[in-house]
Amino acid sequence: AQKVTQAQTEISVVEKEDVTLDCVYETRDTTYYLFWYKQPPSGELVFLIRRNSFDEQNEISGRYSWNFQKSTSSFNFTITASQVVDSAVYFCALSEALPSGTYKYIFGTGTRLKVLA
Amino acid sequence: NAGVTQTPKFQVLKTGQSMTLQCAQDMNHEYMSWYRQDPGMGLRLIHYSVGAGITDQGEVPNGYNVSRSTTEDFPLRLLSAAPSQTSVYFCASSYSSAQIRETQYFGPGTRLLVL
Repeated sequence: AQKVTQAQTEISVVEKEDVTLDCVYETRDTTYYLFWYKQPPSGELVFLIRRNSFDEQNEISGRYSWNFQKSTSSFNFTITASQVVDSAVYFCALSEALPSGTYKYIFGTGTRLKVLA
Repeated sequence: NAGVTQTPKFQVLKTGQSMTLQCAQDMNHEYMSWYRQDPGMGLRLIHYSVGAGITDQGEVPNGYNVSRSTTEDFPLRLLSAAPSQTSVYFCASSYSSAQIRETQYFGPGTRLLVL
């Protein structure tokens, strides 16, 4: 069965440190998509990135970068020079195709990141 | 665009009461879904809809009903609330129901407490 594992329940870092959030997934599909969402203390879910299974290029957006490795079934997220505003729960998700022709997301359990001033 | 809106933001119910959580989107999105978020469990899919008049069950559908009479609205009904339904509920939508690449956009959530 499809599965997403975020083994780090909670991480604390001091401001300006780099931090990597791990995401490991399981799927039998050859075509799939992976996502990261951020949930700040205010509670909403904010989309960060989408990645497809055919594109293993790393992606960088400002202080955020993502490392996708099919060989290890991982899609890790790194924040460089962390800031207090990065404090949030981060979710990794896998998009799974359904026999009916539609899809659903499978979410990991999330990693709570605390950035201390 | 207001995006995905949810009402109410917070609700307290007594065991056995019924209520409807409202969800609406103004983006003409085909796919809508309901999730519940519980500590240590991530987000779990309750029900989803691929268009007006079409709904299906997710991972944890028991105790919940949905309907989709219009493209815009996707209400979630609790027929007889139980303490186990205490959770934060998120509604989400995406443009297409047929593409696994679709990004889902989430509403602000409804926090429900069942006493």
